[in-house]
Amino acid sequence: AQKVTQAQTEISVVEKEDVTLDCVYETRDTTYYLFWYKQPPSGELVFLIRRNSFDEQNEISGRYSWNFQKSTSSFNFTITASQVVDSAVYFCALSGDGSGNTGKLIFGQGTTLQVKP
Amino acid sequence: DTAVSQTPKYLVTQMGNDKSIKCEQNLGHDTMYWYKQDSKKFLKIMFSYNNKELIINETVPNRFSPKSPDKAHLNLHINSLELGDSAVYFCASSSDGNSPLHFGNGTRLTVT
Repeated sequence: AQKVTQAQTEISVVEKEDVTLDCVYETRDTTYYLFWYKQPPSGELVFLIRRNSFDEQNEISGRYSWNFQKSTSSFNFTITASQVVDSAVYFCALSGDGSGNTGKLIFGQGTTLQVKP
Repeated sequence: DTAVSQTPKYLVTQMGNDKSIKCEQNLGHDTMYWYKQDSKKFLKIMFSYNNKELIINETVPNRFSPKSPDKAHLNLHINSLELGDSAVYFCASSSDGNSPLHFGNGTRLTVT
């Protein structure tokens, strides 16, 4: 079955701490895509990153970095030196319906990150 | 300038009423979607259209009917609203099934 699990429901850190958001997925597809989205308190959904199943290179974008490991079916997201503006709900998502068809995003339950000053 | 716009932003209505949410994208994307976010923040796909053709139709009650007059528009009509329909509804678009989704700002529907 297609499934995304974000085991951390809520995380609270103090500004400047590093924080890692976990994401574990299940899929029958051999080709698939993984995503992270951010939902700040204002409510919009903001795309952060897409990774395809054949590219296991880690990615860094400023204070954000992503660690994709097919061996453990994980796609974790780390924020370095967190800031108050990072406070949001973060969603991990998987594309595909398990039969090789894309176009359907399966979202994890989301992790609420609170960064305190 | 807005990429994906949906209206209204807030919708408060009584049980049994019929309402519509409109969505338009100016990104030239072929695929549009409706997602529902419940009170626990869980996001679930409802429908997707590719070039005006229905591609994905999840197990959504028949009271929900999407309509795509052209590939830039995907509206959602809901008949006989129920309390459980209260949620935030997000419209989205993408260039293809593997591309990132661009979401609208959401419509918060409250059924009383």
